[in-house]
Amino acid sequence: EPEVTQTPSHQVTQMGQEVILRCVPISNHLYFYWYRQILGQKVEFLVSFYNNEISEKSEIFDDQFSVERPDGSNFTLKIRSTKLEDSAMYFCASSEKQNYGYTFGSGTRLTVV
Amino acid sequence: GENVEQHPSTLSVQEGDSAVIKCTYSDSASNYFPWYKQELGKRPQLIIDIRSNVGEKKDQRIAVTLNKTAKHFSLHITETQPEDSAVYFCAAAYYGNNRLAFGKGNQVVVIP
Repeated sequence: EPEVTQTPSHQVTQMGQEVILRCVPISNHLYFYWYRQILGQKVEFLVSFYNNEISEKSEIFDDQFSVERPDGSNFTLKIRSTKLEDSAMYFCASSEKQNYGYTFGSGTRLTVV
Repeated sequence: GENVEQHPSTLSVQEGDSAVIKCTYSDSASNYFPWYKQELGKRPQLIIDIRSNVGEKKDQRIAVTLNKTAKHFSLHITETQPEDSAVYFCAAAYYGNNRLAFGKGNQVVVIP
Protein backbone atom coordinates (compact mmCIF):
# COMPACT_ATOMS: atom_id res chain seq x y z
CA GLU A 1 0.00 0.00 0.00
CA PRO A 2 1.40 3.45 -0.90
CA GLU A 3 2.70 5.49 2.02
CA VAL A 4 3.48 9.08 2.84
CA THR A 5 7.07 9.24 4.06
CA GLN A 6 8.33 11.81 6.54
CA THR A 7 11.87 12.57 7.66
CA PRO A 8 13.32 12.89 10.19
CA SER A 9 11.19 10.92 12.63
CA HIS A 10 12.48 13.00 15.52
CA GLN A 11 14.23 16.37 15.55
CA VAL A 12 15.57 18.27 18.50
CA THR A 13 16.43 21.91 17.93
CA GLN A 14 17.35 24.95 19.95
CA MET A 15 14.90 27.78 20.27
CA GLY A 16 15.41 30.34 17.52
CA GLN A 17 16.85 27.83 15.06
CA GLU A 18 15.34 27.03 11.69
CA VAL A 19 14.04 23.56 10.96
CA ILE A 20 12.88 21.89 7.77
CA LEU A 21 10.56 18.93 7.95
CA ARG A 22 10.41 16.77 4.87
CA CYS A 23 7.63 14.74 3.33
CA VAL A 24 7.26 12.59 0.26
CA PRO A 25 3.55 12.38 -0.60
CA ILE A 26 1.99 9.52 -2.50
CA SER A 27 2.99 9.91 -6.12
CA ASN A 28 -0.41 10.31 -7.77
CA HIS A 29 -1.82 12.58 -5.08
CA LEU A 30 -2.39 16.22 -5.93
CA TYR A 31 -3.29 17.76 -2.57
CA PHE A 32 -0.82 18.09 0.28
CA TYR A 33 -1.29 19.09 3.88
CA TRP A 34 0.56 19.74 7.10
CA TYR A 35 -1.07 19.14 10.47
CA ARG A 36 0.40 19.20 13.94
CA GLN A 37 -0.49 17.50 17.21
CA ILE A 38 0.73 18.83 20.51
CA LEU A 39 1.13 15.94 22.97
CA GLY A 40 -2.25 14.75 24.21
CA GLN A 41 -4.22 17.23 22.16
CA LYS A 42 -6.19 17.22 18.93
CA VAL A 43 -4.74 17.19 15.47
CA GLU A 44 -4.66 20.78 14.16
CA PHE A 45 -4.65 21.96 10.57
CA LEU A 46 -1.71 24.10 9.47
CA VAL A 47 -1.77 24.43 5.70
CA SER A 48 -2.96 22.86 2.46
CA PHE A 49 -1.15 23.01 -0.86
CA TYR A 50 -2.32 22.40 -4.39
CA ASN A 51 -0.97 23.22 -7.82
CA ASN A 52 2.24 24.62 -6.35
CA GLU A 53 0.59 27.12 -4.08
CA ILE A 54 -1.01 27.38 -0.68
CA SER A 55 -4.75 26.85 -0.96
CA GLU A 56 -5.61 27.42 2.68
CA LYS A 57 -3.81 28.09 5.95
CA SER A 58 -4.80 28.34 9.58
CA GLU A 59 -4.14 31.07 12.11
CA ILE A 60 -1.31 28.91 13.46
CA PHE A 61 0.52 29.16 10.13
CA ASP A 62 2.06 32.59 10.62
CA ASP A 63 5.07 34.23 8.97
CA GLN A 64 7.43 31.84 10.74
CA PHE A 65 6.09 28.97 8.66
CA SER A 66 6.52 28.28 4.98
CA VAL A 67 5.95 25.33 2.67
CA GLU A 68 7.60 24.36 -0.54
CA ARG A 69 7.51 21.67 -3.16
CA PRO A 70 11.10 22.00 -4.38
CA ASP A 71 10.89 19.14 -6.86
CA GLY A 72 8.36 16.65 -8.12
CA SER A 73 8.39 14.48 -5.02
CA ASN A 74 9.22 16.41 -1.84
CA PHE A 75 6.95 18.66 0.20
CA THR A 76 8.63 20.59 2.99
CA LEU A 77 7.57 22.62 6.02
CA LYS A 78 10.03 25.22 7.25
CA ILE A 79 9.86 26.92 10.62
CA ARG A 80 12.15 29.92 10.50
CA SER A 81 12.75 30.67 14.18
CA THR A 82 11.44 27.92 16.40
CA LYS A 83 9.72 28.61 19.69
CA LEU A 84 9.19 26.28 22.63
CA GLU A 85 5.49 26.07 21.78
CA ASP A 86 6.32 24.69 18.33
CA SER A 87 7.17 21.39 20.01
CA ALA A 88 4.69 18.90 18.59
CA MET A 89 4.26 15.98 16.24
CA TYR A 90 4.00 17.28 12.69
CA PHE A 91 2.06 15.16 10.24
CA CYS A 92 2.18 15.48 6.50
CA ALA A 93 -0.77 14.14 4.53
CA SER A 94 -1.74 13.83 0.92
CA SER A 95 -4.91 13.05 -0.96
CA GLU A 96 -5.93 12.31 -4.51
CA LYS A 97 -9.06 14.41 -4.22
CA GLN A 98 -9.61 17.70 -2.42
CA ASN A 99 -9.93 17.19 1.33
CA TYR A 100 -10.97 13.55 0.94
CA GLY A 101 -9.34 10.23 1.71
CA TYR A 102 -6.20 11.54 3.37
CA THR A 103 -3.17 9.38 3.93
CA PHE A 104 -1.06 10.61 6.82
CA GLY A 105 2.67 10.16 7.18
CA SER A 106 4.16 8.70 10.33
CA GLY A 107 5.05 12.13 11.63
CA THR A 108 8.08 14.11 12.76
CA ARG A 109 8.35 14.74 16.48
CA LEU A 110 9.83 18.20 16.87
CA THR A 111 11.27 19.11 20.24
CA VAL A 112 12.37 22.69 20.78
CA VAL A 113 14.67 23.20 23.76
CA GLY B 1 -14.77 27.93 11.54
CA GLU B 2 -15.89 24.38 12.17
CA ASN B 3 -15.79 23.14 15.76
CA VAL B 4 -15.93 19.40 16.43
CA GLU B 5 -16.59 17.95 19.87
CA GLN B 6 -16.13 14.32 20.88
CA HIS B 7 -17.68 12.41 23.77
CA PRO B 8 -16.70 10.59 25.93
CA SER B 9 -12.98 11.32 26.24
CA THR B 10 -12.24 7.81 27.49
CA LEU B 11 -14.24 4.65 26.95
CA SER B 12 -13.52 1.24 28.46
CA VAL B 13 -15.36 -1.79 27.15
CA GLN B 14 -15.16 -5.52 27.72
CA GLU B 15 -13.87 -7.54 24.81
CA GLY B 16 -16.79 -8.58 22.65
CA ASP B 17 -18.99 -5.66 23.67
CA SER B 18 -19.83 -2.69 21.46
CA ALA B 19 -18.28 0.76 21.65
CA VAL B 20 -19.97 3.96 20.50
CA ILE B 21 -18.27 7.33 20.16
CA LYS B 22 -20.27 10.42 19.34
CA CYS B 23 -19.15 13.65 17.71
CA THR B 24 -20.99 16.91 17.20
CA TYR B 25 -20.12 19.58 14.69
CA SER B 26 -21.07 23.21 14.40
CA ASP B 27 -21.00 24.11 10.71
CA SER B 28 -24.12 22.93 8.89
CA ALA B 29 -22.20 23.27 5.60
CA SER B 30 -19.87 20.40 6.54
CA ASN B 31 -20.54 17.41 4.36
CA TYR B 32 -17.66 15.00 4.86
CA PHE B 33 -17.01 13.14 8.12
CA PRO B 34 -14.03 10.78 8.45
CA TRP B 35 -12.93 8.75 11.45
CA TYR B 36 -9.27 8.09 12.21
CA LYS B 37 -7.67 5.53 14.48
CA GLN B 38 -4.36 6.41 16.08
CA GLU B 39 -2.33 3.84 17.97
CA LEU B 40 0.26 5.09 20.42
CA GLY B 41 3.10 6.85 18.63
CA LYS B 42 1.73 6.09 15.18
CA ARG B 43 0.04 8.00 12.39
CA PRO B 44 -3.73 8.57 12.24
CA GLN B 45 -5.26 6.02 9.90
CA LEU B 46 -8.56 6.49 8.13
CA ILE B 47 -10.93 3.71 9.15
CA ILE B 48 -14.25 4.88 7.75
CA ASP B 49 -15.84 8.02 6.39
CA ILE B 50 -19.29 9.22 5.43
CA ARG B 51 -20.69 11.94 3.23
CA SER B 52 -23.75 13.94 4.10
CA ASN B 53 -25.86 12.35 1.39
CA VAL B 54 -26.07 9.08 3.35
CA GLY B 55 -27.16 8.33 6.89
CA GLU B 56 -25.14 5.22 7.62
CA LYS B 57 -22.15 3.33 6.33
CA LYS B 58 -20.78 -0.04 7.43
CA ASP B 59 -17.48 -1.81 6.97
CA GLN B 60 -17.33 -5.16 8.75
CA ARG B 61 -17.35 -4.43 12.51
CA ILE B 62 -17.29 -0.66 12.07
CA ALA B 63 -20.19 1.61 11.20
CA VAL B 64 -20.75 5.34 11.14
CA THR B 65 -24.12 7.05 11.43
CA LEU B 66 -24.88 10.67 10.60
CA ASN B 67 -27.71 12.87 11.81
CA LYS B 68 -27.55 16.08 9.81
CA THR B 69 -30.47 17.70 11.59
CA ALA B 70 -28.85 17.30 14.99
CA LYS B 71 -25.34 17.79 13.56
CA HIS B 72 -23.86 14.72 15.10
CA PHE B 73 -22.25 11.54 13.85
CA SER B 74 -21.19 8.41 15.68
CA LEU B 75 -18.72 5.59 15.32
CA HIS B 76 -19.92 2.12 16.26
CA ILE B 77 -17.51 -0.74 16.82
CA THR B 78 -19.12 -4.14 17.39
CA GLU B 79 -17.51 -7.27 18.84
CA THR B 80 -14.57 -5.27 20.13
CA GLN B 81 -11.14 -6.86 20.22
CA PRO B 82 -7.98 -5.84 22.12
CA GLU B 83 -6.46 -4.50 18.89
CA ASP B 84 -9.30 -1.97 18.74
CA SER B 85 -7.65 -0.19 21.70
CA ALA B 86 -6.51 3.20 20.37
CA VAL B 87 -7.41 6.86 20.20
CA TYR B 88 -10.19 7.56 17.72
CA PHE B 89 -10.53 10.99 16.14
CA CYS B 90 -13.54 12.25 14.29
CA ALA B 91 -13.27 15.09 11.81
CA ALA B 92 -15.51 17.25 9.68
CA ALA B 93 -14.99 19.19 6.50
CA TYR B 94 -16.81 21.06 3.85
CA TYR B 95 -15.89 19.60 0.48
CA GLY B 96 -15.17 23.04 -0.94
CA ASN B 97 -12.41 23.87 1.52
CA ASN B 98 -9.07 22.30 2.22
CA ARG B 99 -8.94 21.52 5.90
CA LEU B 100 -10.22 18.87 8.27
CA ALA B 101 -11.40 20.01 11.70
CA PHE B 102 -10.59 17.30 14.21
CA GLY B 103 -12.18 16.47 17.52
CA LYS B 104 -10.01 15.99 20.61
CA GLY B 105 -10.06 12.22 20.35
CA ASN B 106 -11.45 9.33 22.38
CA GLN B 107 -9.24 6.81 24.13
CA VAL B 108 -10.89 3.43 23.70
CA VAL B 109 -9.64 0.64 25.95
CA VAL B 110 -10.81 -2.89 25.26
CA ILE B 111 -10.44 -5.06 28.35
CA PRO B 112 -9.66 -8.70 27.54
